[in-house]
Parts: sequence; structure tokens; C-alpha cells
Amino acid sequence: SAVISQKPSRDICQRGTSLTIQCQVDSQVTMMFWYRQQPGQSLTLIATANQGSEATYESGFVIDKFPISRPNLTFSTLTVSNMSPEDSSIYLCSQARPDDTQYFGPGTRLTVL
Amino acid sequence: QKEVEQDPGPLSVPEGAIVSLNCTYSNSAFQYFMWYRQYSRKGPELLMYTYSSGNKEDGRFTAQVDKSSKYISLFIRDSQPSDSATYLCAMTLPKEYKYIFGTGTRLKVLA
Repeated sequence: SAVISQKPSRDICQRGTSLTIQCQVDSQVTMMFWYRQQPGQSLTLIATANQGSEATYESGFVIDKFPISRPNLTFSTLTVSNMSPEDSSIYLCSQARPDDTQYFGPGTRLTVL
Repeated sequence: QKEVEQDPGPLSVPEGAIVSLNCTYSNSAFQYFMWYRQYSRKGPELLMYTYSSGNKEDGRFTAQVDKSSKYISLFIRDSQPSDSATYLCAMTLPKEYKYIFGTGTRLKVLA
């Protein structure tokens, strides 16, 4: 298994503000990912966080809205910018292991008022 | 049509029952299949990981893949109240890291 931590675990934010979520993993890994889990919907990949280069975003997600940093192999941040109530969701980071499985952090529960 | 379909439940069973959870998918190229368990207010926890068709057993859990029918299953034997959670299926293409998830099935095991 893997140890992955996220901060904050939850937050309530005002419309128009931004929130940065941190993810720390317990071992150096090449691939880290950010997902969104909206109520009643499946986990959706937002982007792959690449160490030392720009993140790779999935269709429907853009860097201006979800800027991602990955300064080293064990840490990444996701910022949710200019938030609206539609951004209320659980945000999860994951790491890919050498056997291609992915392990997830505990998630950040975001509510935007 | 969604790439992965999963009945959201809830599925309620008595303690000790055999539980069958299922997913269907549309892309015949999927080759890796995963089952995750997610407790309320927690992140998904990897339960089973299978490659291609066949069965894989781990304790009370058995994962089954039928690629000809594009259908995967997770069986839980001797279910316990602690198995009450949401179960997510996920799958991916060869050499791809992008996981495609089902919406999850909420399971309640009644004591």
C-alpha cells in the first residue's frame, strides 16, 4: 500500500476565491494525478502532475482554472481558481505505482458558497 | 452511452450473504480492471487488480473478468457490516495511466 496525505481535508469557501490543495506521497513516484469526485458521479481525471514540467490536462479542464505544481517527486498542489458553487466536490490526488496501480489520498471536500 | 456502467444501488444484504457487484463497459480494448472500496469521507482503497480475463481471489473477495461480455464482477463472501461502503470499478487501456471509473455501488451489510 501507499501513504498519501492531503491538506486541507475539507474547506468551505466563498465564490470567487481560490483554494490550494496539497498532496504528499511517501515515496518518489513518476506519476501523480488529480481527480474530482462530484456527488453521484464517477471519479474524473483532471490532470497528470508532471515533475519539472507543465501538467497534462484532460478534456474539459484548463490550466487557468486548475493550476497544478509539482516541485519534486513526492509533492504536488492543485489550485481551484475563481471558485463557483459548481466546483463543490471532493478533490483527490493519486500516485501510480510501478505495477501500474493507483493509490489515492483521503480527499479534500470542498464546498463553495 | 457511458464507457463504464455501474448500478449505484444501494444494495442491502444481511450479514453473511454473498454479494455480487458488477460493471459493464463498452471499450473492448480495456485490459486492466480494478475494484476500489470507498468508505464515507475517505479516499478509494484498492481492493483487487486483474489483468485481462479470468478470476482472481484474495481472502473473501473474488474478482472476475469476462472480456467477451465486457462484464466484470466482484464477489464478497461471508459479508460483514464492515464491508458497508461504496465499491468502484475502474479500468484502463494497455500502457495508459488514465483510469475510467464507474459511478460506484453503495453496499449496506445489515447485522
